[in-house]
Amino acid sequence: ILNVEQSPQSLHVQEGDSTNFTCSFPSSNFYALHWYRWETAKSPEALFVMTLNGDEKKKGRISATLNTKEGYSYLYIKGSQPEDSATYLCAFMDSNYQLIWGAGTKLIIKP
Amino acid sequence: NAGVTQTPKFRILKIGQSMTLQCTQDMNHNYMYWYRQDPGMGLKLIYYSVGAGITDKGEVPNGYNVSRSTTEDFPLRLELAAPSQTSVYFCASSADAGGGYTFGSGTRLTVV
Repeated sequence: ILNVEQSPQSLHVQEGDSTNFTCSFPSSNFYALHWYRWETAKSPEALFVMTLNGDEKKKGRISATLNTKEGYSYLYIKGSQPEDSATYLCAFMDSNYQLIWGAGTKLIIKP
Repeated sequence: NAGVTQTPKFRILKIGQSMTLQCTQDMNHNYMYWYRQDPGMGLKLIYYSVGAGITDKGEVPNGYNVSRSTTEDFPLRLELAAPSQTSVYFCASSADAGGGYTFGSGTRLTVV
């Protein structure tokens, strides 16, 4: 059974602080790693799709890294703002294009 | 572009009733997906389609049916609704097999 683990489950961060969280996934049959941002009462929105070991992607204050050999990805948010409050989902895509989702990290930014 | 449009947004069904959740995308995406999301759980794939006329089961297909007669539309049918089908349902599409997904706004379904 393939498992995607995200930690922590939830996180409270002071506005202005930087933060990061982890996605762990199987290190075999890897095709891609997806990150999504999911705001309350909205739908998930794609942030990054990463395919190569060592990939680093950036979108504004949010960046992500990928280590396929050890099976983890980090998502970083620099200088957190209230609008960053959301659940951040990662999903592992295997070589058959099957996407397996983590349960998410819920980020709450305290003003 | 509207992206992925789901209707209805909310619905309450009685046990044993049937309904169809509608999903339409205007991005000419070949790949479409139906997920359900239960509290504290990751998204679970119900059915997916790689193109018009082709559908396949996901992780949790029991109690559901789909069709894909056009590229744009991918309705999800619930026959004989059960309380276990109370969930939030999301439709999504992608341009290719490995690409990022575009999600609809979701349908919150309660079966009582």
